[in-house]
Formats: sequence, structure tokens, C-alpha cells
Amino acid sequence: NAGVTQTPKFRVLKTGQSMTLLCAQDMNHEYMYWYRQDPGMGLRLIHYSVGEGTTAKGEVPDGYNVSRLKKQNFLLGLESAAPSQTSVYFCASSYFSGQGANEQYFGPGTRLTVT
Amino acid sequence: GENVEQHPSTLSVQEGDSAVIKCTYSDSASNYFPWYKQELGKGPQLIIDIRSNVGEKKDQRIAVTLNKTAKHFSLHITETQPEDSAVYFCAARTTGGGNKLTFGTGTQLKVEL
Repeated sequence: NAGVTQTPKFRVLKTGQSMTLLCAQDMNHEYMYWYRQDPGMGLRLIHYSVGEGTTAKGEVPDGYNVSRLKKQNFLLGLESAAPSQTSVYFCASSYFSGQGANEQYFGPGTRLTVT
Repeated sequence: GENVEQHPSTLSVQEGDSAVIKCTYSDSASNYFPWYKQELGKGPQLIIDIRSNVGEKKDQRIAVTLNKTAKHFSLHITETQPEDSAVYFCAARTTGGGNKLTFGTGTQLKVEL
């Protein structure tokens, strides 16, 4: 199993450009998440999904859109990139369990720079 | 919403010593508290977790304690080794479904020879 994979690993964008980050998981997880990580601020949730065809906002959703057309994939889009979106982006996934919380498995990250 | 505070932000210990990282949370309904280790250039990886019905959990050199009344939990690493050097994050599961986590701001642990 590859676990959680992210594409691309690095990207540089100019202000106003758009791009899509791809996350894929092969663990048949129901839940998927997008986080951004900035120095001194930990990981902050951007958007998440509890199943195919569903998405919801997290703590910092402004400027981002997401889609979950297939259970194994979760896409994060930036329609008009801004320098404030320079960050490292992590995707994660987890099982659903009626018994409570479960471990989130993280991908290796995408380092995005917006100039 | 949930707020998680983590201290210290940096911690330097000598090899073989113990390291303790502390976190507090605000939502008394939170019931799951994982700890993640992040090595340079990699994604976070779960090292230990604890649920609200347990006060302490151990896994070899790593232990986590939870005080629900005070709303704080701590990570204890004994007999530290150079490979323990990394950034450690605590987190608390937030209410509202989706198995969402709120993370602390991280602790950079450096184990010196």
C-alpha cells in the first residue's frame, strides 16, 4: 500500500494563477482532509470530506475549493493564488468508526510558493 | 471551537534524559488526543494516542497522560535518543463530526549527544 500520496511535491505560482493539488489514498478511507502548515501555527484544517461527493469547510477555507468525485481522491484548488497561500499543504485520511475517533494518516506534503 | 495550546515551542535535552511536552485544550467534550511526530520534509506520523476514558497510556519509551478535569495532556519520552529529534504535535478531536482534529503549534525537540 502506498498510503496517502500527494501531487505535486513542489510548485511555484505567480499571484493570480490557479492550480490543483491532488491527494490519493489506497486504504479505502471514508474521511479525507486538507491542512496547511505555517511556521509557528501548527496544522490548520482547510476543508474536509466525510464521503464521496461531500465536502465541508474547516478552520481556514477562504481562497480554496475542494472536490471529492471519487472515494480515493480529494482535490484542493486555488482559483487565484495569493502570497498568503504560500505554505506546506498536507492531505490526510481516516476511517469512519461508530466507536469514535480514528488515526489520521498524512501524506508527504506539497510545498507551494506564491510570488 | 476547540483551542489547543502546546508548550514549550522548543526543547533541548541530552541523550538519555527525559522530555516532556504539555498541551491544554478548551472543549470539555473532546474525547481523543493523538500525538504526532514530524521529521524534516515529511508528513506527521501518529506515535501515540489516548481516549478520554483512560488516564495514561504507555508504548515502550513513550507515554501520554490525560487530566480531564484540568483539560491538559502530556507526552513523556524517556531515555531520549538522537532519532527522537523532530517536531511533535498534540491534537484534540473536535466535536461536530468528521473526526476532525485541532492541532497545537508544535514542539521542536532536539536530542543532543
